Amino acid sequence: EAGVAQSPRYKIIEKRQSVAFWCNPISGHATLYWYQQILGQGPKLLIQFQNNGVVDDSQLPKDRFSAERLKGVDSTLKIQPAKLEDSAVYLCASSQQGIEAFFGQGTRLTVV
Amino acid sequence: AQSVTQPDIHITVSEGASLELRCNYSYGATPYLFWYVQSPGQGLQLLLKYFSGDTLVQGIKGFEAEFKRSQSSFNLRKPSVHWSDAAEYFCAVGAGNAGNMLTFGGGTRLMVKP
Repeated sequence: EAGVAQSPRYKIIEKRQSVAFWCNPISGHATLYWYQQILGQGPKLLIQFQNNGVVDDSQLPKDRFSAERLKGVDSTLKIQPAKLEDSAVYLCASSQQGIEAFFGQGTRLTVV
Repeated sequence: AQSVTQPDIHITVSEGASLELRCNYSYGATPYLFWYVQSPGQGLQLLLKYFSGDTLVQGIKGFEAEFKRSQSSFNLRKPSVHWSDAAEYFCAVGAGNAGNMLTFGGGTRLMVKP
């Protein structure tokens, strides 16, 4: 069974630029999550989708972050404009309803 | 709101020694509790989870954890550590209908001495 796929693995951008991350969940998983993991900290949930609807985005900084899952499968997370403090690993995870979440390898973003 | 505290940022043990990683949580209802492991450059892998029932939970790679409601703890243990266990370990509490909206602790980095 293929795992959660994320791309790119690494990204370096200058502050005020925009960036997008892509996630392909495990086939058949209706629930998709984006987490932000700052160096030295545990992951923090940014947004949760159930199919193509948002379940929770209370911790998403909506002035600069956006996420979509238009067809209920793939998802993109965008940051525009990026700030230095957005440097982190962005983890995507997916799950079937009520079952454990499986994580991708993440995208490491460095904002300079 | 739920929270998780992992008091030990770093732990070093000798190979073959026993291991206990501490986790304390704060949650208003019966918690869903998880332990994940993260190797460098990798995503998170689930070691074990507690939803209900037996408070001693067995996981993969020889790990176990014990839920103690009176102490709000969910400590992870392993009787004999292997060098390949060196990694970062995260405890998490789950909210939501299925307990899958996770709040993570800050992690404990485990180093294993030969």
